[in-house]
Amino acid sequence: DIQMTQSPSSLSASVGDRVTITCRASQSISSYLNWYQQKPGKAPKLLIYAASSLQSGVPSRFSGSGSGTDFTLTISSLQPEDFATYYCQQSYSTLYSFGQGTKLEIK
Amino acid sequence: QVQLVESGGGLVKPGGSLRLSCAASGFTFSDYYMSWIRQAPGKGLEWVSYISSSGSTIYYADSVKGRFTISRDNAKNSLYLQMNSLRAEDTAVYYCARGNYGDHDAFDIWGQGTMVTVSS
Repeated sequence: DIQMTQSPSSLSASVGDRVTITCRASQSISSYLNWYQQKPGKAPKLLIYAASSLQSGVPSRFSGSGSGTDFTLTISSLQPEDFATYYCQQSYSTLYSFGQGTKLEIK
Repeated sequence: QVQLVESGGGLVKPGGSLRLSCAASGFTFSDYYMSWIRQAPGKGLEWVSYISSSGSTIYYADSVKGRFTISRDNAKNSLYLQMNSLRAEDTAVYYCARGNYGDHDAFDIWGQGTMVTVSS
């Protein structure tokens, strides 16, 4: 099975900051990597698919990059509504797996 | 609008069974593969099961294989998860999600979730 590891597990930042979250796969997954945002009590929301494609309706301050085993999600200028938990997910294997999550908190 | 609505969650004793349903609307259900994903209280997301658009291809996480059965009825725009031999560690919010973007299998539409609690 493919293991996904996110870092950091939690992060404190301020409105306007540039933030980067990293996701590492235990084996190469090409560009089969998706990112989700989840707010408390809500279902996850797709942000980025295929490593770098922005989901329709998602603000352009969100971007994704990477291929192989190392990927990043970047928020260029944090907004108050961006404080949430972020998950990566591999779709290289149909035995899908998620990272453990990164909780983004207000500093 | 495009929507998924889960139902069927509740409190069940260890060893018991439960059947979850997911009603789809606003899109051509039979064109999309679907998955169940769960989230234990205070924990991260765990993929549970996948079913292809026709229902001919099915996958399960090792943690539920042999106990859970995924199915769909395209005529009723519905997805199901039959859960047997339930354990305390199956306690979670269960989401159904639509798979999209071809091979990239991104979950672009999620239901609101239904809570399953396994406890004596």
